Amino acid sequence: EVQLVESGGGLVQPGKSLTLSCVASGFSFDDYAMHWVRQAPGKGLEWVSGISSKSGRVDYADSVKGRFTISRDTAKNSLYLQMNSLRGEDTALYYCAKGQSFAYTDAIHIWGQGTMVIVSS
Amino acid sequence: DIQMTQSPSSLSASVGDRVTITCRASQGIKNYLAWYQQKPGKVPKLLISAASTLHSGVPSRFSGSGSGTEFTLTISSLQPEDVATYYCQKYDSALTFGPGTKVDVK
Repeated sequence: EVQLVESGGGLVQPGKSLTLSCVASGFSFDDYAMHWVRQAPGKGLEWVSGISSKSGRVDYADSVKGRFTISRDTAKNSLYLQMNSLRGEDTALYYCAKGQSFAYTDAIHIWGQGTMVIVSS
Repeated sequence: DIQMTQSPSSLSASVGDRVTITCRASQGIKNYLAWYQQKPGKVPKLLISAASTLHSGVPSRFSGSGSGTEFTLTISSLQPEDVATYYCQKYDSALTFGPGTKVDVK
C-alpha cells in the first residue's frame, strides 16, 4: 500500500523558517516525481513545488519561488520542503503527493494526509 | 503564466442528473489536464488525467473531454456520494489548479 506521511508542521512566526518532511513507502520512490500542494483553510488547492525523479528537475509556484526549496533523499525515501521567509499567506495544510510518472509535469496520483503550517506572531 | 478557470463555481443537482463542469485554460495546454475530487474533510483523489483517461477504480459515470483551452468533466448520473469539490489542473509545465467547483445534491 502506498503511504505518504508528512511531518514538521506547526506554528511559526512571520519571517522565520520551517522544514517539512514526507516519508514514502509502498512504491519505488526513485521512479516517481513528488510534489507539495497546499490548501489554506476553506480555500482551494495550490500547487507549491514539484521534483522529478532521476533528473531532479524542480519547479515552484511563483508565490513561493525564491523562498521555498524542494529536495528528495532516495536513500531515506523522503521528500522535503525548506520554507524560508514565511508569511501569513503561507498558512495552510501542506500535502505531500506522488506523481503519476517520473516527471513532475504529470498528474498527481496519491496524496498524504497533510501537515498544518500556521504562520502567525 | 497560464490561468485556469472553472464554471460554475458551485451547483446543486438532483440524484440521477447529468452534471457538467467546464474548465478553461488561458492558453492552449493540449491534453495536459487532470480532474480531482475532494470530498469534505478528505484528501483529493485523482479522477481523470490526459483530459479523458479515467483513473483506475473511478466509476464510469465520470468522464472527461476537451483539448487545447476548453475541457469538461461530466457526471452522467449524479449520486449522493459525488458531493465534493472538483478541481481541474494543468500539468503541461508548472502545475496549476483551477479554483474548484462545489457540487451538492438537492
